Amino acid sequence: GAGVSQTPSNKVTEKGKYVELRCDPISGHTALYWYRQSLGQGPEFLIYFQGTGAADDSGLPNDRFFAVRPEGSVSTLKIQRTERGDSAVYLCASSFGQGQAYNEQFFGPGTRLTVL
Amino acid sequence: AQSVTQLDSQVPVFEEAPVELRCNYSSSVSVYLFWYVQYPNQGLQLLLKYLSGSTLVKGINGFEAEFNKSQTSFHLRKPSVHISDTAEYFCAVRNYNEKLTFGTGTRLTIIP
Repeated sequence: GAGVSQTPSNKVTEKGKYVELRCDPISGHTALYWYRQSLGQGPEFLIYFQGTGAADDSGLPNDRFFAVRPEGSVSTLKIQRTERGDSAVYLCASSFGQGQAYNEQFFGPGTRLTVL
Repeated sequence: AQSVTQLDSQVPVFEEAPVELRCNYSSSVSVYLFWYVQYPNQGLQLLLKYLSGSTLVKGINGFEAEFNKSQTSFHLRKPSVHISDTAEYFCAVRNYNEKLTFGTGTRLTIIP
């Protein structure tokens, strides 16, 4: 596709349930990022992948959050035992390579997660 | 650690008037600076970026920003706004790490 895609666009779940959010990056982009945007706030970094490995997961709030990128392309963000405070828009971005300042991060439209 | 402050949460401006959206940052190392725009129900789009060199950078849609190292600022400006500029604007910084640190955003509303 032409840009970063995320599915689903909206997800409503109940407290305590498990959810998976999917990100399909731009073809050829080796770097992939997850951010979380709560209402009225700017996006906050969660995790960054370079290829298949998580290069920086310092933004994951706790061990209920986990992300994978098994083949270096599509990534899945997994949230266990969801809480109402997890409600937010989850953004995915991708870019070429790493370590280059000019590597622009291209963002997807996001998944709006609502935990009832 | 680095942080970004956008003091103005909302800025109303009359159509065809100039606008300035303020951004200040703090960081113990050199940073790269960005402005992103988020139109309603859309993803973030890069407006412009400062990496090095000239402190005045020009972006898309007629926007420009000036990097001021002594004041640790990166204010966004446009000489004449249009209805289509209505959106949320985010300032962000990055250092040698890959992650972006965003401000809380400024909602720009254009008044006809």
